[in-house]
This record gives sequence, structure tokens and C-alpha cells, in this order.
Amino acid sequence: EAQVTQNPRYLITVTGKKLTVTCSQNMNHEYMSWYRQDPGLGLRQIYYSMNVEVTDKGDVPEGYKVSRKEKRNFPLILESPSPNQTSLYFCASSSRSFTGPAFFGQGTRLTVV
Amino acid sequence: DAKTTQPTSMDCAEGRAANLPCNHSTISGNEYVYWYRQIHSQGPQYIIHGLKNNETNEMASLIITEDRKSSTLILPHATLRDTAVYYCIVRSPTGTASKLTFGTGTRLQVTL
Repeated sequence: EAQVTQNPRYLITVTGKKLTVTCSQNMNHEYMSWYRQDPGLGLRQIYYSMNVEVTDKGDVPEGYKVSRKEKRNFPLILESPSPNQTSLYFCASSSRSFTGPAFFGQGTRLTVV
Repeated sequence: DAKTTQPTSMDCAEGRAANLPCNHSTISGNEYVYWYRQIHSQGPQYIIHGLKNNETNEMASLIITEDRKSSTLILPHATLRDTAVYYCIVRSPTGTASKLTFGTGTRLQVTL
């Protein structure tokens, strides 16, 4: 089954403690992205990757890092999480074809206290 | 990417067709119209997309007006499981290929 898998689904952590949210896709997609969703602000893109070793900033990259060492994986790293990074996070992947649909993971609800 | 305008919310009786409108009056000739939905706080789900012709798949139909300034997503027989926020998105092929710009969407409530 074609899918994007995020882990963990829920995470509560403390300010400053480094964490990684993993994302993996099994569709051999070139493009992968991270979004965050906040009430009243909708979904906003954090980082994206157009292929292995190629990443770029989205609209709200501050406080986040990403890496793309393998095509299937695109982890999101918070080196020093802060409470304003409490949010619902989604990973997405899509093929090189512009018109191809994006597939989203089930989300990671992060709370930073 | 062109801006879209959607009603904030709509209701639909189960079994009836749900018609969700979207205005994209500033759309340019090479921009596609996409529809996604988000059920509760799950990941957004792709529904359908089109350029200028009407499109149909197993989930829905997309009707785009001849001037392409608006479109309608049709769920032919809405069920309770179709209750969700529906997003109409316009994408340019010259933009960042992986980026989707989500607006506030339409909250569709399907009732018995």
C-alpha cells in the first residue's frame, strides 16, 4: 500500500531537548515536504526536498533542520525545541510530475512544555 | 499561485450531492485547480485536479467554468465520512513544484 509514514504520532517534550520526527515514503517519490498546521494559520510549509541531498527552506523554516540522505526518508529535526513549535506536523511526498498528487502522512502532534 | 475563495462552511444531507464552490478569478492559463480534504486532524487527502476540462474519478467530479474563474467540487452521494474541511488550491507549474498553498477551506458537515 502506497503510504507516507510519520513517527511518532504524539510527542510531549521539554524546551531545549533535541528531537527528530521521522518520515518515510514507499512510492519512490522525488519530492518530500514538511508542513505545520496551527489554528487560524492553516498549513504552512517548513522545508522541502526535490531529491536526495537537495533541500530548501519553505515559509517557516526557523528552528528546524532537515536532511535527505535517502530517497525514502526525510526526517525533521528540532535541535532546541521551544513552546512556539507546539503544533501538528505533516510530511508529504509527490512524484517529479508537476500534476501528480501529494500524499500526506497521518501527522505528528508535538507539544513542547 | 492564484488566490482562492471558498465559503467557510456548508451542510449537506447524507445521500445527497454536495457541491462545493471555489472562486479563483485571478487564475492564469497554465495553473491547475486541485482539491484536497482533511478529515478531523488527519493528513490532507488528494481528491481530484483539473486544468480546464471537467474531471471525474471514483471520489468526485470537478466542474471548471469555461472562463476558469471558478470551479465546483461535486461529491455525488455524500456520506457521514465525507465530513471534512475541503481545500481548493491553484498551482502554477512554474512555482515550487512540491509546495501546496492551503487556504482556510470549506468545512462540510454531512448530516443524517
